[in-house]
Amino acid sequence: EPEVTQTPSHQVTQMGQEVILRCVPISNHLYFYWYRQILGQKVEFLVSFYNNEISEKSEIFDDQFSVERPDGSNFTLKIRSTKLEDSAMYFCASGRMENTEAFFGQGTRLTVV
Amino acid sequence: AQRVTQPEKLLSVFKGAPVELKCNYSYSGSPELFWYVQYSRQRLQLLLRHISRESIKGFTADLNKGETSFHLKKPFAQEEDSAMYYCALTTDSWGKLQFGAGTQVVVTP
Repeated sequence: EPEVTQTPSHQVTQMGQEVILRCVPISNHLYFYWYRQILGQKVEFLVSFYNNEISEKSEIFDDQFSVERPDGSNFTLKIRSTKLEDSAMYFCASGRMENTEAFFGQGTRLTVV
Repeated sequence: AQRVTQPEKLLSVFKGAPVELKCNYSYSGSPELFWYVQYSRQRLQLLLRHISRESIKGFTADLNKGETSFHLKKPFAQEEDSAMYYCALTTDSWGKLQFGAGTQVVVTP
């Protein structure tokens, strides 16, 4: 069964550094998402991406964040100049159509030190 | 703004006992409601959605628009039901999910 794959599973970075979190969505899916979960808090929506552009973003998704689908298979989340409060589990998800099941990746744990 | 509330952080039940996870939402329109489950060391996965009206792994959930609730129920809990359960809703065409805080279910033998 196809799965959403995220790499790396754990990333440790120094404050102020840039990180790129990578995701390979399921191949025939059209909708892509990033969520994050700070330890002990709820899963929060960051951004949705459709037809090669951002369709919606939350207030968390400020200029520090960007997403890209560089080659038709990968879907990346870039965080520029990381802050301590960016430490969280980041989940990628994809879906075939709107309002249908979102398939989640296993997550990337980002630790900013 | 939409909100999803799961009042219980932890539910501990004995095997064979009924289990009910509460979920309330605030939204003036007609959202689509979901229950997602995360078993230990596994990814988030869809358990059920209100429009499908299915029973999955013995779980059911009924949307009560009057009470704005979507409680998840199972009459006889099993040890393999131990997991984190998240109630979620979507209100827009992009499928953005808004999650509740989650309820950890522990089923003891």
